[in-house]
Formats: sequence, C-alpha cells, structure tokens
Amino acid sequence: GAVVSQHPSWVICKSGTSVKIECRSLDFQATTMFWYRQFPKQSLMLMATSNEGSKATYEQGVEKDKFLINHASLTLSTLTVTSAHPEDSSFYICSATVFGSAGARSYEQYFGPGTRLTVT
Amino acid sequence: QQQVKQSPQSLIVQKGGIPIINCAYENTAFDYFPWYQQFPGKGPALLIAIRPDVSEKKEGRFTISFNKSAKQFSLHIMDSQPGDSATYFCAASMIYNQGGKLIFGQGTELSVKP
Repeated sequence: GAVVSQHPSWVICKSGTSVKIECRSLDFQATTMFWYRQFPKQSLMLMATSNEGSKATYEQGVEKDKFLINHASLTLSTLTVTSAHPEDSSFYICSATVFGSAGARSYEQYFGPGTRLTVT
Repeated sequence: QQQVKQSPQSLIVQKGGIPIINCAYENTAFDYFPWYQQFPGKGPALLIAIRPDVSEKKEGRFTISFNKSAKQFSLHIMDSQPGDSATYFCAASMIYNQGGKLIFGQGTELSVKP
C-alpha cells in the first residue's frame, strides 16, 4: 500500500517551453502533497505544499509563476514548469501524506519515483 | 532552528558491519523523525520513523536511537549488506503544524563493501 506514481519518469524539453509533471497516489487518498527538487549529490529541497482544492503554499525563494501547482483531486497533483530554462534541469520528486488508508498513519510521507527534467 | 544536521557525509563499512548515521536538530517542536533510503535515480523510501515519546525503535535490521534531551537521533543498520549501499536521509517535522512538511538532513552516502 501507499504507492505514489509520477509521470513522466524523465523528460527533455527545449528552453522556453513548459512541461507538466503528474503525481498520483494510487491506492490511497492524499490530503497533502509536497513537491521537491533535488540536485545531484544534494538533499531534497521542498518547493511547495499542496492541499486538494486550495492554493499551494510555496517555500521562500520558489517562484510561484514559474512552478505552477494544481491539486485537482485527492489522488492527483501536477507541477508545471513554465518557460523552462537549463537551470531548471533537476530531479523533481513528489510525496503524499496518507489519509484514511488502513494500516498507515496520517503523517507518514510516501515519495514518488521522481521525474528527471532536462532543459536543452 | 529549522535545520537538521546529518553526519557523516559518507560512510564505508564492510559487509556485516554496523554503520551509524547521526542527526541533530534544534527545534524542540519537532515531533516526528523519519529515515529515508534513496537509491540513485529513485525517490526516497521510508525506512523507519520514531516519535519523541520513545528512545528506541527497531524494525528488522534498522534501529533508531532517540535522545530527546540532546536533540539527537541516529540510525543503526545491523549486519549491513552490499544491497544497503544507498544514500540515507534523516528528517524531522511537526506533525500538526506547517502541513507536516519534512526538514531533511544533508544525506549520508553509505557504501557496504563485500
């Protein structure tokens, strides 16, 4: 149980284009989803916290207009990188907090497999 | 105050050894301390977690030791295997505040030699 998927697993896009990354909780309803980015050999950096049906809360220094987050349902959140540039190339990972899933507590975060974004 | 400091940055042990990874925090409001394991190119996987009301928790070969007064916690991996070679992250959060967001340590790259 508590499986989180991401799509796509990797994407290459041209500078100036936008790319959308999906995060789905497959076997549970997620009250809250989080988006992180991770550079090679570094820790995870939280970008934003997303609650279903409300606006995302962005961490300091993260551009809201560049990283658009939509949490349309209790099982789906999307991250859109708008007007991507090479410096946006990174590993993007989402996580979800379990809600109401038997055998799991509500504060455990489960992570997706990540999406490798390369902007050329 | 929101930082979690993790050490060492890297660790090499022989198969069967017991690697120990340490983390320290400042914010006494943290009340949930998980450890994650991450393989290259993959997302982190929850290994084991502890709340501050207990001093130790064991799950399989993984043990968390928690020292509330020192504001420190550590991960011990018993009988380590080459398959345990990965990066390990400690984290801390306030379950009922700030949306339960996790503050991660810097990570420890563990290599278990055969």
